[in-house]
Amino acid sequence: QSALTQPASVSGSPGQSITISCTGTSSDVGNYNLVSWYQQHPGKAPKLMIYEVSKRPSGVSNRFSGSKSGNTASLTISGLQAEDEADYYCCSYAGSIPRVFGGGTKLTVL
Amino acid sequence: EVQLVESGGTLILPGGSLRLSCVASGFTVNNNYMSWVRQAPGKGLECVSIIYSGGSTYYADSVKGRFTISRDNSKNTLYLQMNSLRAEDTATYYCARGWVVGDAFDIWGQGTMVTVSS
Repeated sequence: QSALTQPASVSGSPGQSITISCTGTSSDVGNYNLVSWYQQHPGKAPKLMIYEVSKRPSGVSNRFSGSKSGNTASLTISGLQAEDEADYYCCSYAGSIPRVFGGGTKLTVL
Repeated sequence: EVQLVESGGTLILPGGSLRLSCVASGFTVNNNYMSWVRQAPGKGLECVSIIYSGGSTYYADSVKGRFTISRDNSKNTLYLQMNSLRAEDTATYYCARGWVVGDAFDIWGQGTMVTVSS
């Protein structure tokens, strides 16, 4: 049950776009279109931002988008805003085990 | 309002036992899959257990044989029984609702802190 691999940190200036990668294996990310992304501000519970690789729940800004190629999923945030500064986690269905999360990426808005 | 409220976290000695509770409102726990997700201080998220609507349960290797997930439909409450606690179990424990439509955790509780220390 190895965690999915995410960069420890990314940064961008307001208005720019950033992409966070999430690399798994053919047993999780590569085998299912069931990748989700969560945003977590300090001291708060995670919030669902993307599900099924690229779908947005009601109420989530369309500045957030997701994609997948092979064993790697990606989260892109366009038009960066100060309030986007947070930790981001990917998560994938992996069959008969509980869901597997990525190690998390700290986004800094410069 | 749809929400989850956890309780039961505390400071406990290594080797001890503890039961966490998660009361759901606005929906029925046995109509969804439910999960416990933990976060050690300064670390990432780890899904430690899931219970499906049919009753099937799954555990991360790190807690298998020590933790038990269950639910009480009459109380609309999810539980996590934790035995043989270790220092590495120290974390904030969140309960989360599994969204069947999107296979994602769409509702989260505020978390309850468990500290295992002598």
